[in-house]
Amino acid sequence: GAVVSQHPSWVICKSGTSVKIECRSLDFQATTMFWYRQFPKQSLMLMATSNEGSKATYEQGVEKDKFLINHASLTLSTLTVTSAHPEDSSFYICSARDVRKENIQYFGAGTRLSVL
Amino acid sequence: AQSVTQPDIHITVSEGASLELRCNYSYGATPYLFWYVQSPGQGLQLLLKYFSGDTLVQGIKGFEAEFKRSQSSFNLRKPSVHWSDAAEYFCAVVALLKGQNFVFGPGTRLSVLP
Repeated sequence: GAVVSQHPSWVICKSGTSVKIECRSLDFQATTMFWYRQFPKQSLMLMATSNEGSKATYEQGVEKDKFLINHASLTLSTLTVTSAHPEDSSFYICSARDVRKENIQYFGAGTRLSVL
Repeated sequence: AQSVTQPDIHITVSEGASLELRCNYSYGATPYLFWYVQSPGQGLQLLLKYFSGDTLVQGIKGFEAEFKRSQSSFNLRKPSVHWSDAAEYFCAVVALLKGQNFVFGPGTRLSVLP
C-alpha cells in the first residue's frame, strides 16, 4: 500500500524557536497533502490543504504566519511552526492524496511537538 | 455541510466478543465513507472504504462495515475482537465532489479486556 513518511516523530523545542515537520509520499505522487492537528483524546482537525506549486489553503482560525506550509514537489510538503509556544504543543499529522485515487488519503505516523 | 457522529466515545469488550462501532453521517447525497484506526501515538491506518456498489464492505484485520442509506449509517463490525484491536477508531466522510476534504467523526476508543 501507499506509504507516507512523516519526520520527525517527536520533537521537543524551546519556546520561541521554529520547528519544521516533513511529510513525504514514498511510492506515489501527491498533488495535494493535508495537515491536521490532534489534541489529546480528540479527533483530527484540518489545519490546511497543501497544493503542489501553489499556496496552501488554511482553515478558518489557523494562522498562516504561524504555520508555514510549503509543497515544493509532488512528494514533499513541510509544515513549519514558527516561534513556537507551549500552546502549540500537539500531535500533528499529515496525509497525502494519491493523484490516481483522488478520494483516498494516506496518513503519516504523526509528529508529537512539545514546546517547553 | 457534511458532518459525522460517532455516538460512543468509549467501548469496552472482552477478547473474543463481537464488536460494532456506530457511525452516522449527515450529507445531502451519498458520500464516500471510510473507517480509520489509530493506535496510541501513531498515524491513521485505513481499515476500509465505501464508494459504491455492494453495501457490505470487507476491510483489513477482519473488519467489515455496512452502508445503510436509509439510516445514514456506516457501522463497523468485527465478529471476534483481539487484544491488538484496542485503539481509537475514526469514521470519515468525503463528499462526492472533486477536492472535497475529509470530515472526521470524534472517534471511538476501544478497550479490550483479556
